[in-house]
Amino acid sequence: GQNIDQPTEMTATEGAIVQINCTYQTSGFNGLFWYQQHAGEAPTFLSYNVLDGLEEKGRFSSFLSRSKGYSYLLLKKLQMKDSASYLCAVGRGSTLGRLYFGRGTQLTVWP
Amino acid sequence: DTEVTQTPKHLVMGMTNKKSLKCEQHMGHRAMYWYKQKAKKPPELMFVYSYEKLSINESVPSRFSPECPNSSLLNLHLHALQPEDSALYLCASSQVNLISTDTQYFGPGTRLTVL
Repeated sequence: GQNIDQPTEMTATEGAIVQINCTYQTSGFNGLFWYQQHAGEAPTFLSYNVLDGLEEKGRFSSFLSRSKGYSYLLLKKLQMKDSASYLCAVGRGSTLGRLYFGRGTQLTVWP
Repeated sequence: DTEVTQTPKHLVMGMTNKKSLKCEQHMGHRAMYWYKQKAKKPPELMFVYSYEKLSINESVPSRFSPECPNSSLLNLHLHALQPEDSALYLCASSQVNLISTDTQYFGPGTRLTVL
């Protein structure tokens, strides 16, 4: 399998900023995805990076460094509803259509 | 519209029952996926269909039988399941892209309990 590593749990307070890191080791890297999943619900697509740099989408931003095998998801102005699991997933060129998921980071936002 | 629908939402079945899970999308996607997800774990890929043909089977036991009747529909037929098969079953769909990995959109899932 692919080596995709992200922290198991993180906590933060409402209004704060949190950064969730993801490192990966894979051959034929073909894109990195971030999904949000609330308990008992489906994963929801948040962002996609295939080139180095920062992608911003409202309160959420995602960064990729291919040379370092590293990505992060940045959540600003945290809200209680941001409490969820955040899944990092990697695509490979040799197995198009297949996503390799990390174990997920459970984020808890406190008031 | 990025909606994938799944029915039923919840399913309880005995080990001798036969049941089916259904998934539908109208985004014109030609790849569809079945995943199994246990609590506090990431989704595990089971099957991938591309242009209505099975392209990936992740060594899933034969008590799970997928079917893709047309480009919008995906079924998962269940027979003689075990209690450890209890999980959230997720369907997803995406475009088929020959050079890059396309975004997968997930349905709400079917919560399956096997007694």
